[in-house]
Amino acid sequence: DGGITQSPKYLFRKEGQNVTLSCEQNLNHDAMYWYRQDPGQGLRLIYYSQIVNDFQKGDIAEGYSVSREKKESFPLTVTSAQKNPTAFYLCASSIPGQGRNEQFFGPGTRLTVL
Amino acid sequence: AQSVTQLDSHVSVSEGTPVLLRCNYSSSYSPSLFWYVQHPNKGLQLLLKYTSAATLVKGINGFEAEFKKSETSFHLTKPSAHMSDAAEYFCVVSRPFSGGYNKLIFGAGTRLAVHP
Repeated sequence: DGGITQSPKYLFRKEGQNVTLSCEQNLNHDAMYWYRQDPGQGLRLIYYSQIVNDFQKGDIAEGYSVSREKKESFPLTVTSAQKNPTAFYLCASSIPGQGRNEQFFGPGTRLTVL
Repeated sequence: AQSVTQLDSHVSVSEGTPVLLRCNYSSSYSPSLFWYVQHPNKGLQLLLKYTSAATLVKGINGFEAEFKKSETSFHLTKPSAHMSDAAEYFCVVSRPFSGGYNKLIFGAGTRLAVHP
């Protein structure tokens, strides 16, 4: 079955540590995205990538980094510079098509900083 | 600029009664609009999308939405609520950018509770 997988489902981190969230898709989509979700708020875009070896900052990129070495994979690193990293993180992917196509979402990773 | 406002943060209905989740949008383009559903601790699933074809859009699980340009609204409805409809619903407007891709702008969400 085609889809997006994210791992781990739950992640705990001590303050001051970097942590990497995994996102893999087998939908053959060119574009991938990372969102952050906080309680009572909609999703906010962290980073996106339209093609391999290229990515762009979204609305809240500070304290995060990404890489896109393979079409299937778009890992997100939450660095110690991110002041409030506890949140639910969602990865998505899409294909181009007149700018009107929906994005497909993974199941998410819940990150808690202890 | 694009934005979306979901007018109710919480909606509570009884099983078998109609559901109405309200959404107003602002867009300087002819918009693409979506409704997504999220069950607790899960990813988002697309319910339906409007892309300038028919103004009444039918989605999965009996949901539908009507695009009203004069009212800048895209309300989500279902004739009869089921217990499994209890979830958070997001209204989303799309802003196109280069390469044929789009940026999604999310509303704050409406939490739907369904009571027996």
